[in-house]
Amino acid sequence: SQQGEEDPQALSIQEGENATMNCSYKTSINNLQWYRQNSGRGLVHLILIRSNEREKHSGRLRVTLDTSKKSSSLLITASRAADTASYFCATSIGYSTLTFGKGTMLLVSP
Amino acid sequence: NAGVTQTPKFRVLKTGQSMTLLCAQDMNHEYMYWYRQDPGMGLRLIHYSVGEGTTAKGEVPDGYNVSRLKKQNFLLGLESAAPSQTSVYFCASLTPTSGRGSTDTQYFGPGTRLTVL
Repeated sequence: SQQGEEDPQALSIQEGENATMNCSYKTSINNLQWYRQNSGRGLVHLILIRSNEREKHSGRLRVTLDTSKKSSSLLITASRAADTASYFCATSIGYSTLTFGKGTMLLVSP
Repeated sequence: NAGVTQTPKFRVLKTGQSMTLLCAQDMNHEYMYWYRQDPGMGLRLIHYSVGEGTTAKGEVPDGYNVSRLKKQNFLLGLESAAPSQTSVYFCASLTPTSGRGSTDTQYFGPGTRLTVL
């Protein structure tokens, strides 16, 4: 069963707006990662946040992690049409594997 | 570097046929993974390998076998394909920098789209 669940399932915004996606998970984790998938392509790693971190930034990306609520959020600021993609959170529980959520489909219109 | 490559890109099988998907990486990565992705679903782990000659089951291993005879290659086999195995298959790899592969970035191939009729 899926460990992480993204919310919303789909998000449609205009260029320049911010996009926020959330991820909830069920069990304690080592770290949480966000990946992006363009249509028909493989996943690309965006950012990793460890269980002892609360917030992390990378360019226009901001990730937060609340381990007490078992949730994370990904904020993309000043969205561009090129940000249109599916975004997945992935949680690490064990030694060497990740469990992916079902993803949020983001559409950024010009 | 080509990164992670997958062969073939597309394949159509009839029920009961067998086939092997090849994943190759030129980054000297230790760990390799096979996932499947179905519509509206995230990736589900089929099998993985933490080193040459080793394999382990993931979340959905039934109906699949794998082999890691060479460090750079990870093969996924379907012995008797079923329509339920229609999916997009992704391979990924990484080298653990901290002794725990779970803290590192996975690098993905472009995927193989398989249809079983």
